[in-house]
Amino acid sequence: AQTVTQSQPEMSVQEAETVTLSCTYDTSESDYYLFWYKQPPSRQMILVIRQEAYKQQNATENRFSVNFQKAAKSFSLKISDSQLGDAAMYFCACMNRDDKIIFGKGTRLHILP
Amino acid sequence: EAGVVQSPRYKIIEKKQPVAFWCNPISGHNTLYWYRQNLGQGPELLIRYENEEAVDDSQLPKDRFSAERLKGVDSTLKIQPAELGDSAVYLCASSSRRGGYEQYFGPGTRLTVT
Repeated sequence: AQTVTQSQPEMSVQEAETVTLSCTYDTSESDYYLFWYKQPPSRQMILVIRQEAYKQQNATENRFSVNFQKAAKSFSLKISDSQLGDAAMYFCACMNRDDKIIFGKGTRLHILP
Repeated sequence: EAGVVQSPRYKIIEKKQPVAFWCNPISGHNTLYWYRQNLGQGPELLIRYENEEAVDDSQLPKDRFSAERLKGVDSTLKIQPAELGDSAVYLCASSSRRGGYEQYFGPGTRLTVT
């Protein structure tokens, strides 16, 4: 069975600083996909970044990047130059080849002005 | 392009009453997901459709929950009868294809069972 663990229920970061959100997962699959989704207050969930497990290169999207450690089953999200609009719940998710997806419990990120 | 549409946005019902949620996915998206999100938790998959076929309903409490996706487009999720523990946000998402592609989420329906 797949599991996704986010060990930080809440985090805070000063505006313009860098913050890293942690995620560990467990799966018996050799091929899978990892995601970070953002859920702003009272707004829809949107994709932040996606990583294919067979790719060793870490995915990046502008200020967002991941540190994917396949052997350690770790998939952390780094947000650089934090902005007020980054305040949200962040969910880590793991999807297997059959499109079965498991989400973590989330990390609430606060941005301090 | 219109996003995933869900209605109603909010619903308050008494326990033992029935309730239904509707989802219209993004045009052309063959894969549709229904999730339940409890307060302070991540979404939990209830059912996934590929076109009109339910390909994963292992987490759907079939004694009281049912879903359908007629003609492979709109979908309805029903609870009958509702219980206090069903209070949650019900999210619908769609994806253009299988294979780990991005899911587009709707705004959700917040259900309160009293």
